[in-house]
Amino acid sequence: GAGVSQSPRYKVAKRGQDVALRCDPISGHVSLFWYQQALGQGPEFLTYFQNEAQLDKSGLPSDRFFAERPEGSVSTLKIQRTQQEDSAVYLCASSLGDTQYFGPGTRLLVL
Amino acid sequence: GQQVMQIPQYQHVQEGEDFTTYCNSSTTLSNIQWYKQRPGGHPVFLIQLVKSGEVKKQKRLTFQFGEAKKNSSLHITATQTTDVGTYFCADQGAQKLVFGQGTRLTINP
Repeated sequence: GAGVSQSPRYKVAKRGQDVALRCDPISGHVSLFWYQQALGQGPEFLTYFQNEAQLDKSGLPSDRFFAERPEGSVSTLKIQRTQQEDSAVYLCASSLGDTQYFGPGTRLLVL
Repeated sequence: GQQVMQIPQYQHVQEGEDFTTYCNSSTTLSNIQWYKQRPGGHPVFLIQLVKSGEVKKQKRLTFQFGEAKKNSSLHITATQTTDVGTYFCADQGAQKLVFGQGTRLTINP
């Protein structure tokens, strides 16, 4: 595709529910990143993949957060037992070199 | 961990006025990237600065990297309504980006 796509664009979850957020990177991009952006803040790094290998997951806030990229293309960020503080926009970015191309994000609201 | 501070948090200008946002760190920055995020949109890459003292221009936008690589700035000359948005600096170290809090620019036409 022309850019990074993410789905769903919006997700409302009840507290305690599990959610799965999908990212389709630009074709051929080796690197894939997940960021969390709270309202009025800059994006904060969650995790990074190079192909299928998760090289850095230092930003994942708790063990409720899990990401995978099994075939080195599409990635899924899963949040278990969602809590209200998980409400944010989750951005995915992919890159070949230094420039990261961001998707439109998934806006998650936990009630 | 690495922290990148950005000021001001908000800036409101009249169309045609200049605008500057500043990015600072207590530690040496690796590479500085600048992004623009329109309201309701996602960050879009503007430019990367790598070298100490580097200055780059894109039409009305001028980007600078400090000599000590601890600060950077973005200056927009003669703002236009299309410049509205939040401007973020980000330090790129070990692949991941560490973003500043952003400067939200609003413009009175």
